[in-house]
Amino acid sequence: NAGVTQTPKFRILKIGQSMTLQCTQDMNHNYMYWYRQDPGMGLKLIYYSVGAGITDKGEVPNGYNVSRSTTEDFPLRLELAAPSQTSVYFCASSPGLTIEQFFGPGTRLTVL
Amino acid sequence: LAKTTQPISMDSYEGQEVNITCSHNNIATNDYITWYQQFPSQGPRFIIQGYKTKVTNEVASLFIPADRKSSTLSLPRVSLSDTAVYYCLVALGRDDKIIFGKGTRLHILP
Repeated sequence: NAGVTQTPKFRILKIGQSMTLQCTQDMNHNYMYWYRQDPGMGLKLIYYSVGAGITDKGEVPNGYNVSRSTTEDFPLRLELAAPSQTSVYFCASSPGLTIEQFFGPGTRLTVL
Repeated sequence: LAKTTQPISMDSYEGQEVNITCSHNNIATNDYITWYQQFPSQGPRFIIQGYKTKVTNEVASLFIPADRKSSTLSLPRVSLSDTAVYYCLVALGRDDKIIFGKGTRLHILP
């Protein structure tokens, strides 16, 4: 099993550009999550999903959108990139809310 | 939203036992306490999870008092490779939000 995979690993965007961060898991987990981690800081939950077709906001959802059309995929969309969105983005999945989360390797995004 | 509180940083020496405490005053009845470890440039990794009293695995122990308002992660005989950030996480059953603490930056010295 590959676990949780994220693409791309690195990306530089200009202000106002859009992009989609991809996340795929092959563990058949119902729960998936998107976090951002600013330099030297902890993780903040952006969005999460409890199953295909169901998503909900986390702590910092503004400026982002998600969709969950399949169990495996949970893409994160940035519509109008801003410098404040410069961060490392981690995707994670788990069998349940209170059960161990498995994290992907992260996507390092810089907005200039 | 309730949140967790941990020390910002700790230093220790190789071979010693390290205890990191997390406060979670608003923990709900159904919530579990989970600890994660994160190395630089990597995603967090699960260490241990518990509900009450004591849980032990091959990596760590987790102590939770009866009131469950705090928990202590215990790392026995640490080595340099245990230098990392440790996060305490409590699933907030009331509104299904998940809050990571700010983490404790543990630095192990030779």
